[in-house]
Amino acid sequence: DGGITQSPKYLFRKEGQNVTLSCEQNLNHDAMYWYRQDPGQGLRLIYYSQIVNDFQKGDIAEGYSVSREKKESFPLTVTSAQKNPTAFYLCASTPPGTGKNIQYFGAGTRLSVL
Amino acid sequence: GENVEQHPSTLSVQEGDSAVIKCTYSDSASNYFPWYKQELGKGPQLIIDIRSNVGEKKDQRIAVTLNKTAKHFSLHITETQPEDSAVYFCAAKPSNTGNQFYFGTGTSLTVIP
Repeated sequence: DGGITQSPKYLFRKEGQNVTLSCEQNLNHDAMYWYRQDPGQGLRLIYYSQIVNDFQKGDIAEGYSVSREKKESFPLTVTSAQKNPTAFYLCASTPPGTGKNIQYFGAGTRLSVL
Repeated sequence: GENVEQHPSTLSVQEGDSAVIKCTYSDSASNYFPWYKQELGKGPQLIIDIRSNVGEKKDQRIAVTLNKTAKHFSLHITETQPEDSAVYFCAAKPSNTGNQFYFGTGTSLTVIP
């Protein structure tokens, strides 16, 4: 059963703590993305990666970090420098070739601050 | 960079009526325009898309129109049903920014039975 798996579904962060959100895909997609979703603001790009060991900052990268050591995995770390991390986080991927316009999304992780 | 605006932010229609959501974009290099449906607590799912060399595309009750000159595109849902209730997002993808997508702020559609 192919798809994008995000975990956990819900996550709580204490002040000063770093937390990592997982995103795994078994679709053999090259490009992967992280978006942040806040009410009334749509989806804003945090980071994206076109290939393994390469990634680029999006519009709101400050306070976040990523890695892309494997094609299947693109974890996002929300660092203590992100002062307002409460949001819904979405991971997405696009296939290679002519299908690379289509984005497939995971089910999301809701992060809250304790 | 690309700027996508979406209206209205909320929309309520009676079951069976039509719903129209409109988006505008700013970058003439955008050539791909997808629409996503997001149900509560879930990730967005692609429902229809259109490329810049096409003016209209239809899939059963859903259609999308594109006016390149005016830089706007619209989603039309006919014969609405309660299960159409969700948040809908438009997006634009410029041809010259790699694989980056730009999203509208979403429209919350409620279909009243």
